[in-house]
Amino acid sequence: QSALTQPASVSGSPGQSITISCTGTSSDVGRYKYVSWYQQHPGKAPKLMISDVSNRPSGVSNRFSGSKSGNTASLTISGLQAEDEADYYCSSYTGSSTLFGTGTKVTVL
Amino acid sequence: QVQLVQSGSELKNPGASVKVSCKASGYTFKTSAMNWVRQAPGQGLEWMGWINTKTGNPTYAQGFTGRFVFSLDTSVSTAYLQISSLKAEDTAVYYCARDVSTATFDYWGQGTLVTVSS
Repeated sequence: QSALTQPASVSGSPGQSITISCTGTSSDVGRYKYVSWYQQHPGKAPKLMISDVSNRPSGVSNRFSGSKSGNTASLTISGLQAEDEADYYCSSYTGSSTLFGTGTKVTVL
Repeated sequence: QVQLVQSGSELKNPGASVKVSCKASGYTFKTSAMNWVRQAPGQGLEWMGWINTKTGNPTYAQGFTGRFVFSLDTSVSTAYLQISSLKAEDTAVYYCARDVSTATFDYWGQGTLVTVSS
């Protein structure tokens, strides 16, 4: 299975909103509600930001939100802050495995 | 608090084996599956598979069969990843990650860098 498709990079100015897309197929993103998003700072382990398409774990800022339409899931970061600069990965259940996205580097201008 | 603490970095020769440990604390070990994720230098995350901590039954992703073995020692709440016949392309950071629900990883180990080089 190929990785889910994400844009290589997204950038925005502080205070702006950005959206990262995650495109899969009808066999993964389009079929299951088990889409997650992870934030990874350089040299650090990934951190769960969104689970089950749109659920925000305790402790995660409400500036982060998730959604899904068809075979594409999206992560929106509102009120962009310098600390949001990191790599972001989506993942989806496929029925028998977990598939990660290609990753998106978010740059805060 | 939940913690997953992995063993330290390893430098191995091609053809050797390595065993990475992931010690869990702060929760009942057998209540959550354990997953393994690989990240090659400068690359993205790659799911390697998971192990059922109640039964010890492992499931391997495509591309991680044969040389990769997941195991447990439930008496010390520890999961292991063993890689045999190491190749240069196995050089990566390996993470363990707790499965809080279907394909959702809420806690991760700090990662173990395995370098394969002569």
